Amino acid sequence: EAQVTQNPRYLITVTGKKLTVTCSQNMNHEYMSWYRQDPGLGLRQIYYSMNVEVTDKGDVPEGYKVSRKEKRNFPLILESPSPNQTSLYFCASSLSISTDTQYFGPGTRLTVL
Amino acid sequence: EDQVTQSPEALRLQEGESSSLNCSYTVSGLRGLFWYRQDPGKGPEFLFTLYSAGEEKEKERLKATLTKKESFLHITAPKPEDSATYLCAVRGGGGNKLTFGTGTQLKVEL
Repeated sequence: EAQVTQNPRYLITVTGKKLTVTCSQNMNHEYMSWYRQDPGLGLRQIYYSMNVEVTDKGDVPEGYKVSRKEKRNFPLILESPSPNQTSLYFCASSLSISTDTQYFGPGTRLTVL
Repeated sequence: EDQVTQSPEALRLQEGESSSLNCSYTVSGLRGLFWYRQDPGKGPEFLFTLYSAGEEKEKERLKATLTKKESFLHITAPKPEDSATYLCAVRGGGGNKLTFGTGTQLKVEL
């Protein structure tokens, strides 16, 4: 089944404790992206990657890092999480940047205390 | 900077009561307007892409239309299973990112 998977689905952590949210897709997609979703603000793009070893900042990259060493994986790294990074995070992928259909993962709900 | 405004924020319909959701946008060089459906606790699900004014696309009870300043998502004879949040997004000419609106939360009652 074609899908985007994220782990963990739920995470409660404390300020400053480094964490990684994994994202994997099995569709051989070139384009992958991370979003955060907050009430009243909608989905905002954090980082995106157009291919292996090619990443770029979205609207809200501060406090986040990403890497794209393999085509299927695009982990989101929070080196020193803060409470304002409490949010619902989604990973998405599509065949290319210009392809209509962007497939979203199930989401990761992160709480930083 | 690209901007997307969706209205209304929330809409309650009776089953069979047709209506429209609005997505107003400002973008420099539209490279696509996207509609997604999002169910509670799930990721957005792609519905449509529109590229130029006058374009229309349909899927079951949904029909999306596009003008130079806004898009409408028309829902004909909705059913309770159409209840969801509908998101609109644009991709502008200035870059590769998608800019999303905050969505319209639709509830269809029996």
